[in-house]
Amino acid sequence: ETGVTQTPRHLVMGMTNKKSLKCEQHLGHNAMYWYKQSAKKPLELMFVYSLEERVENNSVPSRFSPECPNSSHLFLHLHTLQPEDSALYLCASSQDYPSSGANVLTFGAGSRLTVL
Amino acid sequence: QKEVEQDPGPLSVPEGAIVSLNCTYSNSAFQYFMWYRQYSRKGPELLMYTYSSGNKEDGRFTAQVDKSSKYISLFIRDSQPSDSATYLCAMRSPNYGGATNKLIFGTGTLLAVQP
Repeated sequence: ETGVTQTPRHLVMGMTNKKSLKCEQHLGHNAMYWYKQSAKKPLELMFVYSLEERVENNSVPSRFSPECPNSSHLFLHLHTLQPEDSALYLCASSQDYPSSGANVLTFGAGSRLTVL
Repeated sequence: QKEVEQDPGPLSVPEGAIVSLNCTYSNSAFQYFMWYRQYSRKGPELLMYTYSSGNKEDGRFTAQVDKSSKYISLFIRDSQPSDSATYLCAMRSPNYGGATNKLIFGTGTLLAVQP
């Protein structure tokens, strides 16, 4: 496996379910991110982990709970979501954060979440 | 006012056309400018990045930054059906004193190149 891998690719859940999204990076990067992508909106940064420590939490509701057990893995735990949370959730990694350079992100293919 | 403005399109062009994609921004501190390409059912991938002003060319692609006008462009020459994708501009300021410097994205422009 190379790059950034996300599972599952598609997820349908009810408002009372609990599920998790998983991300794994094989690039040796030190920073990992969760973004939300909704139609006609810019990518929305949710969380940033640098060296396994959460360094950014952009006012994300507590029904989204991230976990970073090591520098290669990132999870997003989901519970009691709302229909408006339906979106594409993208994981990304970069060499470091913050960075003095371009801080190029490498994205996974995303997990398409539908909340019924 | 949004920090980054990008026309969402869709933009439809015939094969072989020159395509111009653009973004405007309001934050004069931005120094790093990027273009990501996102195919359907895929994540964004970095296409080009430019530091500060000027042009950068890579094959059929040219990225241009005009900091005086706060305007960036991506030109695609001899466009191909395989160029059909969403193109997202992104930009950020340098990291000063350890302050976080988030990447700010545009909404993306959907491009369709017709054979």
